[in-house]
Amino acid sequence: NAGVTQTPKFQVLKTGQSMTLQCAQDMNHNSMYWYRQDPGMGLRLIYYSASEGTTDKGEVPNGYNVSRLNKREFSLRLESAAPSQTSVYFCASRDRGRVNYGYTFGSGTRLTVV
Amino acid sequence: SQQGEEDPQALSIQEGENATMNCSYKTSINNLQWYRQNSGRGLVHLILIRSNEREKHSGRLRVTLDTSKKSSSLLITASRAADTASYFCATVRAGGTSYGKLTFGQGTILTVHP
Repeated sequence: NAGVTQTPKFQVLKTGQSMTLQCAQDMNHNSMYWYRQDPGMGLRLIYYSASEGTTDKGEVPNGYNVSRLNKREFSLRLESAAPSQTSVYFCASRDRGRVNYGYTFGSGTRLTVV
Repeated sequence: SQQGEEDPQALSIQEGENATMNCSYKTSINNLQWYRQNSGRGLVHLILIRSNEREKHSGRLRVTLDTSKKSSSLLITASRAADTASYFCATVRAGGTSYGKLTFGQGTILTVHP
């Protein structure tokens, strides 16, 4: 099925460990986004990639890095995980040329840092 | 910072009743979107309304936009138990550098009792 695929779905890390969250879309979308969702906070933008080869910081980029590997894939890396990064992470994509269409979201990665 | 404020934070109704959720935002927008999130799942795009539109319908959904008041409402008519979910409004700021970035409100939790 077409859409956004995120892996893993669940992860527990110890403080200081690193990991990469993977995201891939098969809709030929230009733009991709990483959000985190915390209770009572809605979704906040971490990083985005307006098009292949570009990445920019969002609202809460500290402690994260991203790579737009190709048009399909956009990964999020935590170099040294902290308990404050416990959250649900969502990847999303959209067709940049279709400004009046919504985003397509993945099903999320639930990350716990202990 | 959160762009949108949603009201109410939680809404509980009986099946067959109408549900109305409100969203206020702070800056000029290109469009406003509504998303649904079932528990433990990703977000699903429901409807988008552009800044030059005042009302839009999709099935049992009706969205209004008042740019002078910087507010929007989502009406779900004849609600069903399956409508139980969290609903988020999200805005795309006006201006060429927004790159379609969505800024989310904190959401309204809707519970529809059978």
